[in-house]
Amino acid sequence: NAGVTQTPKFRILKIGQSMTLQCTQDMNHNYMYWYRQDPGMGLKLIYYSVGAGITDKGEVPNGYNVSRSTTEDFPLRLELAAPSQTSVYFCASSYDSGGGGWSPLHFGNGTRLTVT
Amino acid sequence: AQSVAQPEDQVNVAEGNPLTVKCTYSVSGNPYLFWYVQYPNRGLQFLLKYITGDNLVKGSYGFEAEFNKSQTSFHLKKPSALVSDSALYFCAVRDTLKTGANNLFFGTGTRLTVIP
Repeated sequence: NAGVTQTPKFRILKIGQSMTLQCTQDMNHNYMYWYRQDPGMGLKLIYYSVGAGITDKGEVPNGYNVSRSTTEDFPLRLELAAPSQTSVYFCASSYDSGGGGWSPLHFGNGTRLTVT
Repeated sequence: AQSVAQPEDQVNVAEGNPLTVKCTYSVSGNPYLFWYVQYPNRGLQFLLKYITGDNLVKGSYGFEAEFNKSQTSFHLKKPSALVSDSALYFCAVRDTLKTGANNLFFGTGTRLTVIP
């Protein structure tokens, strides 16, 4: 059971380039999330999804896009990379039945992105 | 506004001594509170949660947390620290304002160092 898998582990981008951070989970969780972690700032929510085809903005969505075409996959797209997007990105998933049953968030190991 | 605060960036404790990592929260309604731990180059791992019930919550690896409603605190504790407990610890509160969101607001983290 792999849990939440993120690729790549590391990436260096030049300003203005674009890229997609991949995230997949094999726990059949309906909720998925993207967070960024900056030193001394904790984790900030970028986007989240409550199920396939449904996404919504978090605290810091500017400069990012997401899609959720399947339950398993939740890619994060950076269209025009900026130095302010240098960060560590974490994907997470959780389960919520809507009837009281839910799980804590399960995190991937992160993608370290540097924009120069 | 919903938030958690971790007032200490760094906590040092001798091996075998009890440890406490502090967290206070601000939330509308009943709080769902969590502690996560992060080891170097890894994602966050769930330790324990408080939803309702006993104010003393037991979690993984011998950790426990005490919920105090009057002081709006949720401090993480362990009776006897191990060197392997050295890591970054995050307190988090579940979003209760955004219906169906299920996401977490994280504190800025406390780095725990256990000295042999």
